[in-house]
Amino acid sequence: DIVMTQSPDSLAVSLGERATINCKSSQSVLYTSTNKNFFAWYQQKPGQPPKLLIYWASTRESGVPDRFSGSGSGTDFTLTISSLQAEDVAVYYCQQYYSSPWTFGQGTKVEIK
Amino acid sequence: QVQLVQSGAEVKKPGASVKVSCKASGYTFTSYYMHWVRQAPGQGLEWMGIINPSGGSTSYAQKFQGRVTMTRDTSTSTLYMELSSLRSEDTAVYYCARYRVYYGLDVWGQGTTVTVSS
Repeated sequence: DIVMTQSPDSLAVSLGERATINCKSSQSVLYTSTNKNFFAWYQQKPGQPPKLLIYWASTRESGVPDRFSGSGSGTDFTLTISSLQAEDVAVYYCQQYYSSPWTFGQGTKVEIK
Repeated sequence: QVQLVQSGAEVKKPGASVKVSCKASGYTFTSYYMHWVRQAPGQGLEWMGIINPSGGSTSYAQKFQGRVTMTRDTSTSTLYMELSSLRSEDTAVYYCARYRVYYGLDVWGQGTTVTVSS
């Protein structure tokens, strides 16, 4: 199984400041024939299901604000919130869908400082 | 609009089975693979398996092999996830989610809380 490890487990950021979350996979999730990483980021607010934010490691889902950006390839990935807003308080999960079983990171809780 | 509506909360005794439903609407039911994911209280997301609504083929996480059955009814655009031999550790919110191929899980149900308690 591919193990997904996020860091940090939690972070507190001031409104308007940058938040950065990292995710490392135990093996590459880059599908070389298409040069696409089968990797996604999700946001989960309390009492709600997860919401797809970013797929292919760096492509924003329709309707997701452009303050959210994803980067990385292979085994190392980053989610950046460029200017944290109050509505961004949530737990963020990374996920690989390169191979079965699909696996998620343990989650990173983002709060306001 | 595209939505997945799940059945209501369940309370079960250890050793029993539970069957959760997920009704899809707003899109062609047989065109998207569907996944089930669960989340224990205060914990992260755990992938359970996938079903192809078109042919009914399934693939389950090894952890749940032998205990989980995923089925579908194309006439009602409804998915089902049955988990047997329940134990307290199965207490969780169970989600169905649509897989947009190569993109990720783009639509989620609202979740069904299953509580296993004697």
